[in-house]
Amino acid sequence: DTAVSQTPKYLVTQMGNDKSIKCEQNLGHDTMYWYKQDSKKFLKIMFSYNNKELIINETVPNRFSPKSPDKAHLNLHINSLELGDSAVYFCASSLNGEGYEQYFGPGTRLTVT
Amino acid sequence: GNSVTQMEGPVTLSEEAFLTINCTYTATGYPSLFWYVQYPGEGLQLLLKATKADDKGSNKGFEATYRKETTSFHLEKGSVQVSDSAVYFCARNTGNQFYFGTGTSLTVIP
Repeated sequence: DTAVSQTPKYLVTQMGNDKSIKCEQNLGHDTMYWYKQDSKKFLKIMFSYNNKELIINETVPNRFSPKSPDKAHLNLHINSLELGDSAVYFCASSLNGEGYEQYFGPGTRLTVT
Repeated sequence: GNSVTQMEGPVTLSEEAFLTINCTYTATGYPSLFWYVQYPGEGLQLLLKATKADDKGSNKGFEATYRKETTSFHLEKGSVQVSDSAVYFCARNTGNQFYFGTGTSLTVIP
């Protein structure tokens, strides 16, 4: 069974479109995260939710909006896509508190043309 | 502040060479420390971790020791293999917040 899954794995779309990426974890974790990884492999935290509540909201454009319908899901919706949004997006989850590692999904490669 | 600094890559080694990837951190208190590995086309996965000073994490021949005095958590492996080619990330956490280094790309050639 996949621990953290993301769909789709690849997403190619045109500038100006709206798209969503879904994430689900079956580990019973309380906290979920979205990261953006650029072409140089730099990993940037975007959002974090704990028990469906937003706890980290880094400086990202308002076009990005996370939604957590329940604690096993954290979806990422992106409006008005731009070329600079092209990247690999990773979902992750962890138990609450110190010392617990994150479990990452396989990533969604978004290409905006 | 809270940050993680790891040595810049890329690193290229011959098979069976010794590997060291340096990592230092700044933090208030005593965070937990991690090394993650990312193989091509995959997500990050935990390689090893240490949760308190002087702990040594180890896995798949890799080791790292939590050094409070030098605020370091250097990754080492005695004899690398081609299959170790990947990007390695040092990270620390405090509560639910994780801080990642910039990643070090390792290529091992036969």
